[in-house]
Amino acid sequence: AQSVTQPDIHITVSEGASLELRCNYSYGATPYLFWYVQSPGQGLQLLLKYFSGDTLVQGIKGFEAEFKRSQSSFNLRKPSVHWSDAAEYFCAVGLGYGSSNTGKLIFGQGTTLQVKP
Amino acid sequence: EAQVTQNPRYLITVTGKKLTVTCSQNMNHEYMSWYRQDPGLGLRQIYYSMNVEVTDKGDVPEGYKVSRKEKRNFPLILESPSPNQTSLYFCASSFQVRGGGTQYFGPGTRLTVL
Repeated sequence: AQSVTQPDIHITVSEGASLELRCNYSYGATPYLFWYVQSPGQGLQLLLKYFSGDTLVQGIKGFEAEFKRSQSSFNLRKPSVHWSDAAEYFCAVGLGYGSSNTGKLIFGQGTTLQVKP
Repeated sequence: EAQVTQNPRYLITVTGKKLTVTCSQNMNHEYMSWYRQDPGLGLRQIYYSMNVEVTDKGDVPEGYKVSRKEKRNFPLILESPSPNQTSLYFCASSFQVRGGGTQYFGPGTRLTVL
């Protein structure tokens, strides 16, 4: 069955430090992969997505993610974290983005990022 | 401003009292979807609609109904809410999903069923 795992429920980093959030997926075909961010009391905002091509994807707010097929991973990175990055981050696999067109997103459990001053 | 709106944002109700959560988008999107978010489970799809009058079940449709009479609106109906439907609900829309269309999410509706 398709699934997404975010191994880290909660991560704390110091402001200015680098960040890596892990995401592993289980999906038989070529995946459509997404990272969303949810700030407190807000909806989800798309950070970046990968469908094909270059495996290093650039997103908004200085984030990037690298797709590694051999490891079934799509880890999110940022070289220098800002206090405003504190939020919950969700990795998702898109099913039904091809011929079936159901548009279902399978989300991971989320990783809460806390930023220390 | 392009957006997905949901109403109400917060709702406390009692078991069995029918309620409707509205969702509206102003981007002329064909695709709309409802998710619920529960701690430790991420978001799970309830229903989706690929166009007007076309709806289908997601992973957790039990206890919910939807309708898509107009392109911009996709209300979620709980005919007889139960406490296990206490959750945070998100509506999302996309121009299309085939080929990777981005889904835009609303701000969420926090529902408590007593």
